[in-house]
Amino acid sequence: AQKVTQAQTEISVVEKEDVTLDCVYETRDTTYYLFWYKQPPSGELVFLIRRNSFDEQNEISGRYSWNFQKSTSSFNFTITASQVVDSAVYFCALSERFTGGGNKLTFGTGTQLKVEL
Amino acid sequence: DAGVIQSPRHEVTEMGQEVTLRCKPISGHDYLFWYRQTMMRGLELLIYFNNNVPIDDSGMPEDRFSAKMPNASFSTLKIQPSEPRDSAVYFCASSPRPVGTNEKLFFGSGTQLSVL
Repeated sequence: AQKVTQAQTEISVVEKEDVTLDCVYETRDTTYYLFWYKQPPSGELVFLIRRNSFDEQNEISGRYSWNFQKSTSSFNFTITASQVVDSAVYFCALSERFTGGGNKLTFGTGTQLKVEL
Repeated sequence: DAGVIQSPRHEVTEMGQEVTLRCKPISGHDYLFWYRQTMMRGLELLIYFNNNVPIDDSGMPEDRFSAKMPNASFSTLKIQPSEPRDSAVYFCASSPRPVGTNEKLFFGSGTQLSVL
């Protein structure tokens, strides 16, 4: 079975610090997709990014950046100049094929990020 | 678009009672997922529908859990009888295509269930 590991349970930083959230995955599929979701204190799950297994280019979106490395099976997420509003639980997820067709997402256990003033 | 709508937002019930959680997916989305979130196990997929048909229910914890999708715009997750260990946040999500096709899941706001 496929697996996603987020070893960091909780991270605390001071505002304006950079922070990197780690994600390591395991899969036997040659084609797969990786995702990051944010869950703010209000509880909803907000999509941040998806990446397919053939695209190892790093991506930057404002203060967010993602580093995908197939060689180490990692898909890490960096927030630059963190802000209090970034405080949330962040989930990494991996697509997985169903035997009946279609796909599902397997989630990591999440990293709680706390950004303090 | 209203997004995925779940109700109720919060549910408190006593052990042994029947609980029904409801979900309205985004119009036009053929795939519907029920997830459960707990501190211990994180986000777990319970069941997944494609065009109203259950495809994989291997994540349903036990026979006390059942899910239906009578039409494209409505799904229910029922727990009967409920137990304290069922306390969790239950999320419904939908997708227009399989997530493996680079499609993402659109999540509802979740139902916080507390079984006393």
